[in-house]
Amino acid sequence: GDSVTQMEGPVTLSEEAFLTINCTYTATGYPSLFWYVQYPGEGLQLLLKATKADDKGSNKGFEATYRKETTSFHLEKGSVQVSDSAVYFCALSSLPYNQGGKLIFGQGTELSVKP
Amino acid sequence: DTGVSQNPRHKITKRGQNVTFRCDPISEHNRLYWYRQTLGQGPEFLTYFQNEAQLEKSRLLSDRFSAERPKGSFSTLEIQRTEQGDSAMYLCASSLGATQETQYFGPGTRLLVL
Repeated sequence: GDSVTQMEGPVTLSEEAFLTINCTYTATGYPSLFWYVQYPGEGLQLLLKATKADDKGSNKGFEATYRKETTSFHLEKGSVQVSDSAVYFCALSSLPYNQGGKLIFGQGTELSVKP
Repeated sequence: DTGVSQNPRHKITKRGQNVTFRCDPISEHNRLYWYRQTLGQGPEFLTYFQNEAQLEKSRLLSDRFSAERPKGSFSTLEIQRTEQGDSAMYLCASSLGATQETQYFGPGTRLLVL
C-alpha cells in the first residue's frame, strides 16, 4: 500500500542554518504531496503542497519540489528561526487533489532551532 | 471561520468504559475525516465522511469504533469497551471538497485509558 518515509529526528540546528528534511513516498498512481507542521501545543497546519510532478510548493520561506523520478518531496529552508521549532509531517493523498480522500502521513520529524 | 473544534480536549477513562468524542467542522465543509495519532507517530486515517455518508473506513477501525455524521454537520466518534491500546490523540479534519481539498485539523481529543 501507499506509504511515506521521513528522516528520523530530532533535528537540532542553530538559528540561520540551512534545513533539509527528507521525505520519500511509495504510491500507485499520481499522489498529491503535503507538508504539515505541528507547533508545540497546537493542531496540525498545512505548510505547503504540490499536486503534480515538478510542482514546487512554498510558504513562509519553506520549499519542497515534487520529484516523481526519485519519489521524493524534501522540505528545505535557507535560514531557520527559533520560531520554526516544531514537528514536521510529510503526507500524501492518493486520490486526485480535488476528489478528497485520506492523507497518509510519515512519522514526523521534530525540529529544534537554538538561538 | 472559527476553525475545526473538538470536544472534549482531554478524556481519562477506565478500561471497558465507552467514550464519545465530538467534532465540529468548519461551516460549509462537506468532508470530514477522523485520524488517530500515537506518541511519536504521524496521524493514521480512521474514517471519512462526505456530507452524512461514510465513504471509507480503515481496517484500524475495529467493531468497537463507530462514527456518525447524522446531518452532515458535526460528527461523533464512539469507542465502546475501551482498551489501553486505544490511548491516543484523536484528530478531526474537514475540507471544503470539490476544488479545494486542503484538510484543516482540529486541536484533537487526547484519550487516556487506565
